Amino acid sequence: ETGVTQTPRHLVMGMTNKKSLKCEQHLGHNAMYWYKQSAKKPLELMFVYNFKEQTENNSVPSRFSPECPNSSHLFLHLHTLQPEDSALYLCASSQDPLAGTDGSYEQYFGPGTRLTVT
Amino acid sequence: GENVEQHPSTLSVQEGDSAVIKCTYSDSASNYFPWYKQELGKGPQLIIDIRSNVGEKKDQRIAVTLNKTAKHFSLHITETQPEDSAVYFCAARGKGAGGSYIPTFGRGTSLIVHP
Repeated sequence: ETGVTQTPRHLVMGMTNKKSLKCEQHLGHNAMYWYKQSAKKPLELMFVYNFKEQTENNSVPSRFSPECPNSSHLFLHLHTLQPEDSALYLCASSQDPLAGTDGSYEQYFGPGTRLTVT
Repeated sequence: GENVEQHPSTLSVQEGDSAVIKCTYSDSASNYFPWYKQELGKGPQLIIDIRSNVGEKKDQRIAVTLNKTAKHFSLHITETQPEDSAVYFCAARGKGAGGSYIPTFGRGTSLIVHP
């Protein structure tokens, strides 16, 4: 148990559906992240939020829409996805993504949501 | 941006042997190098990390070394056990386009420890 929870753990959706992934962290961290993990590929950073403000968007298609209402909760809204979007979506949190050489910035990951787009 | 290469992609060892995984990075400004272990059905978990002002760090059977000049870092696991079997990821933390320090991950190494 890392202190980061994700729901649902598994999701199957059609290309015309709309669904949302939820992440919650209980670690008192300031920053939250969405990653996409596909087979045989490195972890791909999608979005970074620091104190509820989006600080990084890694050229993610608009069919993925993040929402961060507070520092403890992060959502990923999905609509009109493609089969190639099937992957494990991981949420992570850390204390301070703006820290340079000092500060605590270890990331803690949730268990992920396994998404299948049919 | 940062580019991280990780080798090998698969590593098979006998229980009790040592395992070494190597990574290289491209951005000399990267300052933090974590290693993660991911077991089946779980998210990656941090197992050890090293900062750019340190050359080596050890935690029981796990050690990490960093060569800043050559821009490479390695994970060493001694006296491997079957429960060490998992996918291991290295990462290098540098500055993203938006100003946040974010990690770039390697492709992962699947470690298999045979009893």
